[in-house]
Amino acid sequence: AQKVTQAQTEISVVEKEDVTLDCVYETRDTTYYLFWYKQPPSGELVFLIRRNSFDEQNEISGRYSWNFQKSTSSFNFTITASQVVDSAVYFCALSEALGSAGTASKLTFGTGTRLQVTL
Amino acid sequence: DAGVIQSPRHEVTEMGQEVTLRCKPISGHDYLFWYRQTMMRGLELLIYFNNNVPIDDSGMPEDRFSAKMPNASFSTLKIQPSEPRDSAVYFCASKPTGTYEQYFGPGTRLTVT
Repeated sequence: AQKVTQAQTEISVVEKEDVTLDCVYETRDTTYYLFWYKQPPSGELVFLIRRNSFDEQNEISGRYSWNFQKSTSSFNFTITASQVVDSAVYFCALSEALGSAGTASKLTFGTGTRLQVTL
Repeated sequence: DAGVIQSPRHEVTEMGQEVTLRCKPISGHDYLFWYRQTMMRGLELLIYFNNNVPIDDSGMPEDRFSAKMPNASFSTLKIQPSEPRDSAVYFCASKPTGTYEQYFGPGTRLTVT
């Protein structure tokens, strides 16, 4: 069974601080995919990034960066120089590889980390 | 391009009433997913469709819940009769074949009193 653990329930930082959101996953699959989604106060879920299990290269997108380490089954998310607009709940998710025709890779979500950025 | 569209955005109903939630997936996306989000259980997959056909409904909580997809651009999730414990945010998501990331609608916040 797949499992995603986000141990940090809530994090509070002051604007311009760097913050790292932790994600640890469990899976028996050799090929899998990891995701981060953002849920701002308005409620929608916004896709941020997908990583494949066979590509451990870290990724940077503006102030966002992701550190994928298979050895520790972690896929951590860092926001550099946080801003108030980063305040949201962030979800890490895991999916298996695509199955047979017609089947979808179901997403297993973590419980989310609520990030509060204050002035 | 328009994203996933859900209606209504908010629904308040009394216990025992029928509730119908609606979803229009992104054009060209042949997978459609219904999720429920609660504080206690987080995000749960209820059911998903491929090419309008239900593939996996193992997450549907009980017979009071039913979902249909009569065509590629429309799906409904119906609860009959509704109960207070059905209060949650219901999300619809879609994706095209061959990809992994799902694109979510804004959600419907359901309150059953």
